[in-house]
Amino acid sequence: NAGVTQTPKFRILKIGQSMTLQCAQDMNHNYMYWYRQDPGMGLKLIYYSVGAGITDKGEVPNGYNVSRSTTEDFPLRLELAAPSQTSVYFCATKGDIRTSSTDTQYFGPGTRLTVL
Amino acid sequence: DAKTTQPPSMDCAEGRAANLPCNHSTISGNEYVYWYRQIHSQGPQYIIHGLKNNETNEMASLIITEDRKSSTLILPHATLRDTAVYYCIVRGAYSGAGSYQLTFGKGTKLSVIP
Repeated sequence: NAGVTQTPKFRILKIGQSMTLQCAQDMNHNYMYWYRQDPGMGLKLIYYSVGAGITDKGEVPNGYNVSRSTTEDFPLRLELAAPSQTSVYFCATKGDIRTSSTDTQYFGPGTRLTVL
Repeated sequence: DAKTTQPPSMDCAEGRAANLPCNHSTISGNEYVYWYRQIHSQGPQYIIHGLKNNETNEMASLIITEDRKSSTLILPHATLRDTAVYYCIVRGAYSGAGSYQLTFGKGTKLSVIP
């Protein structure tokens, strides 16, 4: 039971390049989230999904896109990388509130992205 | 969303209790208080949550004042591995289908000293 996994762990991009950050979970959780964390700051929500086929914007969605074709995977796409997207990206999941007694989110280990 | 206020940093001697305060004076009646921590370079980790009553689990205790305007996370016997940033979060805005956003502030950096 791996929980929440993220790949890659580290990546350096040039301005204008694109990439996809992968997030996978084996907990059969419906809810998935993408956060970014800038140095010395708290986490900010980028996008979230309440189930396969359903996604919605969080606090800072500009410059990103997501898809949720399966329960297990929730990739985050950067189309035209900018230096402002240099950050650590965390994926998180949460169980269905109908079956889970808490609102606890479980986080992956993060992807450290640098855009030069 | 109810805003939380935490001290930016605290020190605690190894083996002693670490008491981390949080103010949430605008909390509404049905909002829970959650605590997470983030050890350097790792993803945040859930610790505990509560509504009105004090709560205890294998990691920590949570004391919520009667007026619910503040709370204290207690790590009873702090170890060096408890050095981390601790986030106090009041469960945020409803974002559809029973899912709630968690709004992370800057938290309290706890340093456990040998």
